[in-house]
Amino acid sequence: RKEVEQDPGPFNVPEGATVAFNCTYSNSASQSFFWYRQDCRKEPKLLMSVYSSGNEDGRFTAQLNRASQYISLLIRDSKLSDSATYLCVADSNAGNMLTFGGGTRLMVKP
Amino acid sequence: DGGITQSPKYLFRKEGQNVTLSCEQNLNHDAMYWYRQDPGQGLRLIYYSQIVNDFQKGDIAEGYSVSREKKESFPLTVTSAQKNPTAFYLCASRDPWGYSNQPQHFGDGTRLSIL
Repeated sequence: RKEVEQDPGPFNVPEGATVAFNCTYSNSASQSFFWYRQDCRKEPKLLMSVYSSGNEDGRFTAQLNRASQYISLLIRDSKLSDSATYLCVADSNAGNMLTFGGGTRLMVKP
Repeated sequence: DGGITQSPKYLFRKEGQNVTLSCEQNLNHDAMYWYRQDPGQGLRLIYYSQIVNDFQKGDIAEGYSVSREKKESFPLTVTSAQKNPTAFYLCASRDPWGYSNQPQHFGDGTRLSIL
């Protein structure tokens, strides 16, 4: 079982739609969680950290469910520019390492 | 501006040749990492270093070597033993000592291909 698992997608949605991605992690000791965005042939860039109480940044909302060991990312009012691969990340090895999921591909269509 | 610089952006390797990818950071981060990404795939950890003069193997270290003589620099050598080196290589750094919610920062990558 992979430490961090994501549905690879692709998720094809129309502009303006709301889309949600889930990600599960296997290490119950994980404390830090992040969502990264990766555009085609580019490096991953930090989208947002995920806090225990949930957090929002504009159209993006991240949630953490420790009991079920999953984190989620909600994107409201999708834009064409949101098309990318979204990587879920959890720390491991007593916080020394970050483990990346395989990514979920989002395609927003006009 | 603080950041991570990888060079070159594109690199071609001949059969039997060793090549070295450069990664320099001025973020004053202790930890540095090398990942490999194949088309349509996730990131796989090659090597990481938590502090100068120390480094550890990741999940796919065979055919690669690293050094960490300076805090700012973490070069990766792709040796001739790596039979399938064509991939996108990403270097990252992180401040590991303030563990809580410390993300990794990435360089913009090196694309390596076989001639």
